[in-house]
Amino acid sequence: AQKVTQAQTEISVVEKEDVTLDCVYETRDTTYYLFWYKQPPSGELVFLIRRNSFDEQNEISGRYSWNFQKSTSSFNFTITASQVVDSAVYFCALTDHNAGNMLTFGGGTRLMVKP
Amino acid sequence: DAGVTQSPTHLIKTRGQQVTLRCSPKSGHDTVSWYQQALGQGPQFIFQYYEEEERQRGNFPDRFSGHQFPNYSSELNVNALLLGDSALYLCASTRGPLSTDTQYFGPGTRLTVL
Repeated sequence: AQKVTQAQTEISVVEKEDVTLDCVYETRDTTYYLFWYKQPPSGELVFLIRRNSFDEQNEISGRYSWNFQKSTSSFNFTITASQVVDSAVYFCALTDHNAGNMLTFGGGTRLMVKP
Repeated sequence: DAGVTQSPTHLIKTRGQQVTLRCSPKSGHDTVSWYQQALGQGPQFIFQYYEEEERQRGNFPDRFSGHQFPNYSSELNVNALLLGDSALYLCASTRGPLSTDTQYFGPGTRLTVL
């Protein structure tokens, strides 16, 4: 069975602060894929990143960075120098070869960036 | 490059009625999945369609059914609506039913059941 836990339900920061969103996952498969999606108030899920279980290299994309650690089953997401436009709900999701491409989502973290 | 589109954007129904939601996948995609997102929660997988057949199903009752057309577009039907069916319904598309490629989501249909 798959499970994704996002323990932080809501985070509030002031603009230009750095913020880290936590994601812990469970799966019995050795081959799996992790995702982060952003959901602005409009409702559409916007894809941010996809990582497979064999690639533990951390990734940076502009102000966004991701820290994948298999030893702790975590895939955390950091926003550097946050901006008001980063305000949204962020979801971590997981799939593995047994699940095909059925995604299991965490409960989401609502990020509020205040000016 | 057209993304995933869904219609309608909003819908209001009463208990016991039936509803049909529509989705067109991203260009080049042939597999469509539907998710239900209740307020304040993460999306929950309903089912997936590929080659006009249901390939996978989540833990949803038979009141939820679907269809996929030869052009890969899809419909989600919900019969005998309950208040608890009020949610944002998201459609996602990808290539192939077993692919672990990225799924791209549409803007969703917000269903309110009164």
